[in-house]
Amino acid sequence: SQKIEQNSEALNIQEGKTATLTCNYTNYSPAYLQWYRQDPGRGPVFLLLIRENEKEKRKERLKVTFDTTLKQSLFHITASQPADSATYLCALAGPRGNAGKSTFGDGTTLTVKP
Amino acid sequence: DAGVTQSPTHLIKTRGQHVTLRCSPISGHKSVSWYQQVLGQGPQFIFQYYEKEERGRGNFPDRFSARQFPNYSSELNVNALLLGDSALYLCASSTLHRDYLNTGELFFGEGSRLTVL
Repeated sequence: SQKIEQNSEALNIQEGKTATLTCNYTNYSPAYLQWYRQDPGRGPVFLLLIRENEKEKRKERLKVTFDTTLKQSLFHITASQPADSATYLCALAGPRGNAGKSTFGDGTTLTVKP
Repeated sequence: DAGVTQSPTHLIKTRGQHVTLRCSPISGHKSVSWYQQVLGQGPQFIFQYYEKEERGRGNFPDRFSARQFPNYSSELNVNALLLGDSALYLCASSTLHRDYLNTGELFFGEGSRLTVL
């Protein structure tokens, strides 16, 4: 069965630095991969999606890369701010690109210190 | 525009009881998915419904059931509650085309926090 691993449970960085989060997966070839942000006690909020034929996607201070050979996605937050502190979830789309059946990783909790 | 709404937001039950959780998707979204999120873990897929039909089921026992109504709202039912059912139950809606290919974005509600004592 497909498996997703996100790097260390917690990541602590200093304000202004770039945060890099890793998502590795096995036993699957997803049509696309998604990144979500989740604050404590809240539902996940969609951030970015990258398709299998895309190498990189950017949105403001966010950048996602997707290497289907390595089966890995990297999620970068540049010029990080304390407000970026949250848990970030990686998710693989289900069969035929069905997001409704996405498989999620356990997330990486990012803390940005002022 | 209203987002995905879930009710109740919090509830406490005892072992053996039954619970019903409700979800209203974003207007125009016909696909509703349910996820269970245990503390410290990512959301785990339970069900997907589209046009009132079950389109997928995760690895959950038969104590879990769901349905979707003509207005695309949905209910998740859990019978014979166990302590391990304590979790945040998330509902997510999305657009879903007939051939299952969709935009790829899930819109989540704030969840229903279930505590089983």
